[in-house]
Amino acid sequence: QSVLTQPPSVSGAPGQRVTISCTGSSSNIGAGYDVHWYQQLPGTAPKLLIYGNNNRPSGVPDRFSGSKSGTSASLAITGLQAEDEADYYCQSYDSSLTALSWVFGTGTKVTVL
Amino acid sequence: EVQLVESGGGLVQPGGSLRLSCAASGFSFSSYAMSWVRQAPGKGLEWVSVITNYDGRTYYADSVKGRFTISRDNSKNTLYLQMNSLRVEDTAVYYCAKGVGGSGSSMRLDYWGQGTLVTVSS
Repeated sequence: QSVLTQPPSVSGAPGQRVTISCTGSSSNIGAGYDVHWYQQLPGTAPKLLIYGNNNRPSGVPDRFSGSKSGTSASLAITGLQAEDEADYYCQSYDSSLTALSWVFGTGTKVTVL
Repeated sequence: EVQLVESGGGLVQPGGSLRLSCAASGFSFSSYAMSWVRQAPGKGLEWVSVITNYDGRTYYADSVKGRFTISRDNSKNTLYLQMNSLRVEDTAVYYCAKGVGGSGSSMRLDYWGQGTLVTVSS
């Protein structure tokens, strides 16, 4: 089990806004470490979607946005589209882990109704 | 164009070994930390190992420590993962990925390969 917890699934109709939470603790998100987000379309490799809490790599639509507050972070998708149906993972760094400190969240499946 | 192409996956019996390779192109390979990430069937992402660029320091998840070895050959632009004493629970798609943002706490993975499937079964 990961130190970053996400809801297993969220859903929304086309055009709606959905948010995905990533809940951590004082040794990761709460310690000020950056949060990054990845999108994994069915049958494909993950793709970096948001980096440094709220920055979009070139080519990522501005429908995707990230935020961070306290020990949690969120990914928002506005104007939900059918092509957004995918799995989404947050990622951060945890100073309490002694072996490998970079961690992914548990993942959230987004379903477009 | 950045490309990462994994190879070496396949079917192996429990206790066996495999070596994965990841051929990189389109960027200065020696300048970036590299990682292996795996995904068991129907499960989430698990960060397996990291190797830094400047000093070759390595990091491993507890689940593979002592069994897996990450290495890189900067002259060949290739990343490796030697996997020994394989277990059924190591069955997964293994992705290699390029790190950006340094090799410290801000590192994220900006390019990923297509993955190679490792199946451990008798």
